[in-house]
Amino acid sequence: DTGVSQDPRHKITKRGQNVTFRCDPISEHNRLYWYRQTLGQGPEFLTYFQNEAQLEKSRLLSDRFSAERPKGSFSTLEIQRTEQGDSAMYLCASIQEADTGELFFGEGSRLTVL
Amino acid sequence: GDSVTQMEGPVTLSEEACLTINCTYTATGYPSLFWYVQYPGEGLQLLLKATKADDKGSNKGFEATYRKETTSFHLEKGSVQVSDSAVYFCALKEGGSYIPTFGRGTSLIVHP
Repeated sequence: DTGVSQDPRHKITKRGQNVTFRCDPISEHNRLYWYRQTLGQGPEFLTYFQNEAQLEKSRLLSDRFSAERPKGSFSTLEIQRTEQGDSAMYLCASIQEADTGELFFGEGSRLTVL
Repeated sequence: GDSVTQMEGPVTLSEEACLTINCTYTATGYPSLFWYVQYPGEGLQLLLKATKADDKGSNKGFEATYRKETTSFHLEKGSVQVSDSAVYFCALKEGGSYIPTFGRGTSLIVHP
């Protein structure tokens, strides 16, 4: 399968712990996005990369959140000192630079903070 | 800023009924408009799109027309099937932006 893959699919952690999510985009896609989705809400933009450059970050991305895409391929999203309010589905999507506007989403990584 | 407003769900229909899910938007320019669908346990996937006023997007029997005068992009289907049960998201992307904005989603439940 050559779609967007995310790992882990589900993470349960205790408040105060750090977590890291990984996203592998479609191989020829050079733009990669992270969104957050809470119950009953649509995806909310967090950040995006063009190749290895992080070009924009949302105000939702507090200083406890950091995202990287070191070689312009896979990306990681780390949340430090997790809080219960961080519980959500974290979605990754990718797109080719020739922008048709269509995002290709992974299945998401669900975070539960106890 | 840009925003998308969708009708609240869930929308519950019997098989073969007509479907309309309302979507209106606020944008400063001339956005492209999209409908995404999320089936249970799967990621969001594009259902259809329209890039300029009066364009009609269509796919899998679903249609939506870009109405600039009413800033709307309502999703319609003439006869729904049980397999259409999913969450539907309306989204927009301004021409000068690389960041799509999504609505909150509308759950559709179709009973046999």
